[in-house]
Amino acid sequence: AQSVTQPDARVTVSEGASLQLRCKYSYFGTPYLFWYVQYPRQGLQLLLKYYPGDPVVQGVNGFEAEFSKSNSSFHLRKASVHWSDWAVYFCAVSEGTQVVGQLTFGRGTRLQVYA
Amino acid sequence: EAAVTQSPRNKVAVTGGKVTLSCNQTNNHNNMYWYRQDTGHGLRLIHYSYGAGSTEKGDIPDGYKASRPSQENFSLILELATPSQTSVYFCASGDSANTEVFFGKGTRLTVV
Repeated sequence: AQSVTQPDARVTVSEGASLQLRCKYSYFGTPYLFWYVQYPRQGLQLLLKYYPGDPVVQGVNGFEAEFSKSNSSFHLRKASVHWSDWAVYFCAVSEGTQVVGQLTFGRGTRLQVYA
Repeated sequence: EAAVTQSPRNKVAVTGGKVTLSCNQTNNHNNMYWYRQDTGHGLRLIHYSYGAGSTEKGDIPDGYKASRPSQENFSLILELATPSQTSVYFCASGDSANTEVFFGKGTRLTVV
């Protein structure tokens, strides 16, 4: 069965610093991978998605992620964090485009940004 | 902008009672989903649907039923609510191409 591990429950960075949130997946085959963001008392919003192809994908608000099959990873990055990025970030995997809504999520990483 | 609306946003229910959570989408999406979110678990899939009249079991269906009476509406039903079902429930919709899934804002359910 597929699974997603986000090893960091909480990450704290200063505003303007770079960011990496880690995600490791377990899936037999070619995964479809996603990063979602959840702001307080809101639903999830898609940041970016990976469909088989270019391993580096660009998302909204300056986020990008890189797929690595050899490392089974899909880490999220941002060059310069803004205070408004304070939120919970979820990595997720699905089996393919026909079932992309059937997602397996990681436990989430809470990002805190300080001035 | 895709819209998924959940009602109620907050609900307190008694143990053993019946609870119905409602979801409406105006995106004309075929597929709809119910997830629950618990601290330390991320989101887990309960039930999903491919269209009106269809419901399928997700990863954690026990204790839940689902109903899809129309393209727009998808309900999650707890026939006999238990305290372990206290959680935040999210509904989502996606089209057949499933390039993106859109989530509602969630329903916070407390079973006492």
